[in-house]
Amino acid sequence: GAVVSQHPSWVICKSGTSVKIECRSLDFQATTMFWYRQFPKQSLMLMATSNEGSKATYEQGVEKDKFLINHASLTLSTLTVTSAHPEDSSFYICSAYTGFATNEKLFFGSGTQLSVL
Amino acid sequence: GQQVMQIPQYQHVQEGEDFTTYCNSSTTLSNIQWYKQRPGGHPVFLIQLVKSGEVKKQKRLTFQFGEAKKNSSLHITATQTTDVGTYFCAGQGGANNLFFGTGTRLTVIP
Repeated sequence: GAVVSQHPSWVICKSGTSVKIECRSLDFQATTMFWYRQFPKQSLMLMATSNEGSKATYEQGVEKDKFLINHASLTLSTLTVTSAHPEDSSFYICSAYTGFATNEKLFFGSGTQLSVL
Repeated sequence: GQQVMQIPQYQHVQEGEDFTTYCNSSTTLSNIQWYKQRPGGHPVFLIQLVKSGEVKKQKRLTFQFGEAKKNSSLHITATQTTDVGTYFCAGQGGANNLFFGTGTRLTVIP
């Protein structure tokens, strides 16, 4: 089946630094990838839709200058948390469709646990 | 904007009892998907429902999509400890975005 690889699995950083999270589709091309954020015991919350070769579409309330998304190729999207602060500590997860047909499944990366000290 | 509400938030059941979680969307959906997230894990796809009134079964799990394609339910018969986790519904609207419900955390007491 389709595999979405997300790296790193966890990261601890100092306040004020930037952190990059990678999301790769290993055996398929993903024109669109999605980035979610999940706080403990809460639902996944869509942050943005990453489109290959164009600007990402951000959900209301998500700061695009804070969470930089780059989708430079059909198999890679990156999320950079700039100038991270403790309130940015969360579980970040990406996902991708294998295609655009209505019966395509959404496959998730394994997530990145970010802890900002 | 599009919203997907899911109830209940938490459910504790005795092993062997049934369990149901419900999902409602503020708008008509093109399809609805269900995911299971084990504690400490990431969501895993269970099933997708596309047709109005569709019912699908996976062993002890029964999934339904409402006639108006705005609500859905997941029913587990005779729960087992392996059913523990959070069950999310996710509705897909016109675009490819998937909006997740708040999830129902299921605890099964042996």
